[in-house]
Amino acid sequence: DAKTTQPNSMESNEEEPVHLPCNHSTISGTDYIHWYRQLPSQGPEYVIHGLTSNVNNRMASLAIAEDRKSSTLILHRATLRDAAVYYCPFSGSARQLTFGSGTQLTVLP
Amino acid sequence: DTAVSQTPKYLVTQMGNDKSIKCEQNLGHDTMYWYKQDSKKFLKIMFSYNNKELIINETVPNRFSPKSPDKAHLNLHINSLELGDSAVYFCASSYGGGGVKSYNSPLHFGNGTRLTVT
Repeated sequence: DAKTTQPNSMESNEEEPVHLPCNHSTISGTDYIHWYRQLPSQGPEYVIHGLTSNVNNRMASLAIAEDRKSSTLILHRATLRDAAVYYCPFSGSARQLTFGSGTQLTVLP
Repeated sequence: DTAVSQTPKYLVTQMGNDKSIKCEQNLGHDTMYWYKQDSKKFLKIMFSYNNKELIINETVPNRFSPKSPDKAHLNLHINSLELGDSAVYFCASSYGGGGVKSYNSPLHFGNGTRLTVT
């Protein structure tokens, strides 16, 4: 079943940064860490992924611990549209991703 | 144009019936998937097809039978539906043929089919 551990829920205020943690202690050296989010009534959508180095894109930043057993998704300024369930599956390739139950992020106005 | 489309969006049926969910992708991907999401938002892979060939078949009852007529389509047929089959089923696609391209290819999901078995 799920190989990652995430808090069930988190809250953030609008316009403030959000740090979403994920533990993946069984990750192997060649597994990529992925982050997806699922907006209400939609399918999951890709956010970001990385292997060892921190990564940035237009949606978010990904900070990966040195031992790679944990990572943090950073939303620099949360908006109401960022309210979603965030997942952090890991795998050697997209075709082997297994998602858990994610973190429900609530953004307060 | 919708990248990954699945039909129907909602499916309400009675126990014992047989139903199908269709999925099509226009992204040129070579790998397609079916995921099941339960009421607690747990998202679990069921099947994966690469170039019409089954590559992942998780522990799923054999009442569930995927069929891939071509790379762009992956349908899910369910026989003898049970109450416990009620869930949201997501189709997805990606590059999955191996190599760097598959590592860096994200999954693209459809918007799901909510199946309710009464």
